[in-house]
Amino acid sequence: DTAVSQTPKYLVTQMGNDKSIKCEQNLGHDTMYWYKQDSKKFLKIMFSYNNKELIINETVPNRFSPKSPDKAHLNLHINSLELGDSAVYFCASSQGRLEQFFGPGTRLTVL
Amino acid sequence: GIQVEQSPPDLILQEGANSTLRCNFSDSVNNLQWFHQNPWGQLINLFYIPSGTKQNGRLSATTVATERYSLLYISSSQTTDSGVYFCAVEGKAAGNKLTFGGGTRVLVKP
Repeated sequence: DTAVSQTPKYLVTQMGNDKSIKCEQNLGHDTMYWYKQDSKKFLKIMFSYNNKELIINETVPNRFSPKSPDKAHLNLHINSLELGDSAVYFCASSQGRLEQFFGPGTRLTVL
Repeated sequence: GIQVEQSPPDLILQEGANSTLRCNFSDSVNNLQWFHQNPWGQLINLFYIPSGTKQNGRLSATTVATERYSLLYISSSQTTDSGVYFCAVEGKAAGNKLTFGGGTRVLVKP
């Protein structure tokens, strides 16, 4: 019974390509997030959606576009991938401002 | 924004030893969580502890919100405790945003 799931787990692609990462939660939560973990293991929020509405948009390049088709799903589309986009991307969810639960992560490698 | 500092940055333990990890934060918080990132990269929730003390098996945590710190205690450490421990806080003014500390990398030797 996976609470927060992400696909794919690994993504290897060439510079300049466009790719998407999908996230789904079955916890019934109303808020979902994308976090990025860099090569030094530092974790930083990128976006947050509450009831399909964008509520947090950190200083992320506009090549990154989140989309929430419903409360249970939050996808991340990345255009024109760059070497510096290589990282692990984590999806998370919570009920309002309560405890956040994280997915298994998607390791993106841009060659 | 809120600053989160964790110490020590690295910790090497002999199996069976006890240890304390510290998290200092710079402002009032609405939420504080401790996570364990295992060697496979999974972020596992340990505690949701904006204030007070909680225990779960060999792990316990205490947050003193008025003094802006939290402690994570690991007792009788096992090799499976190895990994990186993160403290993350949501500042009261931050709104739905966890700010992570830099982590404490723990290695438990058999």
